[in-house]
Amino acid sequence: EPEVTQTPSHQVTQMGQEVILRCVPISNHLYFYWYRQILGQKVEFLVSFYNNEISEKSEIFDDQFSVERPDGSNFTLKIRSTKLEDSAMYFCASGLTRAGGSNGELFFGEGSRLTVL
Amino acid sequence: ILNVEQSPQSLHVQEGDSTNFTCSFPSSNFYALHWYRWETAKSPEALFVMTLNGDEKKKGRISATLNTKEGYSYLYIKGSQPEDSATYLCASSSGSARQLTFGSGTQLTVLP
Repeated sequence: EPEVTQTPSHQVTQMGQEVILRCVPISNHLYFYWYRQILGQKVEFLVSFYNNEISEKSEIFDDQFSVERPDGSNFTLKIRSTKLEDSAMYFCASGLTRAGGSNGELFFGEGSRLTVL
Repeated sequence: ILNVEQSPQSLHVQEGDSTNFTCSFPSSNFYALHWYRWETAKSPEALFVMTLNGDEKKKGRISATLNTKEGYSYLYIKGSQPEDSATYLCASSSGSARQLTFGSGTQLTVLP
């Protein structure tokens, strides 16, 4: 069964360092997302991506964050200069149709845990 | 940003018991309600996507109902089994904010 895969599963980094989290969405999906969950808090939307551009982003997704789909299969989230408060589990998700609507179910990866020291 | 609330936060039931939990969401400008099942160390897995008031969906022993006028959805599990132990997340979207806003989840533990 097709699945969303994420790497790395866990990354530890120093504050101020750049981090790239990678995702391989399901191949025929068109909509791609990043969510994150800070320990003990709700899953939060970061950004959605469709047709090679950002379609929606949250207030969390500031200038330090960027997303890219460089080769038609990988979908990456880059954090330019990590802060302590960026420590969280980052989830990639993909879908055939736009999330939030009927049949818009999301398929999630297992997450990348980012620890910023 | 929508406010999606789930209750209870956690729940322990005996194997064979039936159980249910609640998701409440803003009813104005409602668009869709999603339920996901999230086992520890795995990825959240979609259970249901519902859009219509009065919608009722079923998958095996799990079913869900939707009331968009009052802004709540119930998830029911009939005859709980230990393998049902997981966190159940609901997420809602509105016509203006199509991205999903998640609740904090209900952590279900089914004791053998």
